[in-house]
Amino acid sequence: GAGVSQSPRYKVAKRGQDVALRCDPISGHVSLFWYQQALGQGPEFLTYFQNEAQLDKSGLPSDRFFAERPEGSVSTLKIQRTQQEDSAVYLCASSSRSPPLAGLRDTQYFGPGTRLTVL
Amino acid sequence: AQSVTQLDSHVSVSEGTPVLLRCNYSSSYSPSLFWYVQHPNKGLQLLLKYTSAATLVKGINGFEAEFKKSETSFHLTKPSAHMSDAAEYFCVVRGEYGNKLVFGAGTILRVKS
Repeated sequence: GAGVSQSPRYKVAKRGQDVALRCDPISGHVSLFWYQQALGQGPEFLTYFQNEAQLDKSGLPSDRFFAERPEGSVSTLKIQRTQQEDSAVYLCASSSRSPPLAGLRDTQYFGPGTRLTVL
Repeated sequence: AQSVTQLDSHVSVSEGTPVLLRCNYSSSYSPSLFWYVQHPNKGLQLLLKYTSAATLVKGINGFEAEFKKSETSFHLTKPSAHMSDAAEYFCVVRGEYGNKLVFGAGTILRVKS
């Protein structure tokens, strides 16, 4: 079946603009994750949803970042008043079960990412 | 807190020679460890994962990794490199509460013909 999809694949924003990044997880997957990957670095956790509930947002770098998953499927990551330091690839991942039910054997499947460039 | 350190930012090998990508981890309990690969302009793909069932883990495309608790290591190996293996590889540990993944900085593998 289809994997995780993200749109747009590329986004260029002027500093101060708001942006919205979309993630379509694998159908039926309960858990959804957002990660930020700066140039030359490994991905870093931003936030985690179990169905529509946002259970962990400890990685969001500022209150300009906001994520939602209102119906427990598609998720949107919104960044308000973008800054140059927000330039990165934003990755979405989904998995079929949620901790603690997932135990330690569940796999996160990643989308291709959205490359955000803030000028 | 869980963390991983990838000891080499770049590794270059000749086609047909062995590959070794090194990773050390830090964890307060028995960890779940993964290796992911990222080809240019493509999503992260899981190569293999360790979840305490066996210390030697076999993954896709001929890769394997060995969990060594005494050395806190989880190095990735492959007996013979192929040109298509050229990519960036990430060593990953699952976070303490079982949800988020913690990534290393990555190792870029170059395969020379």
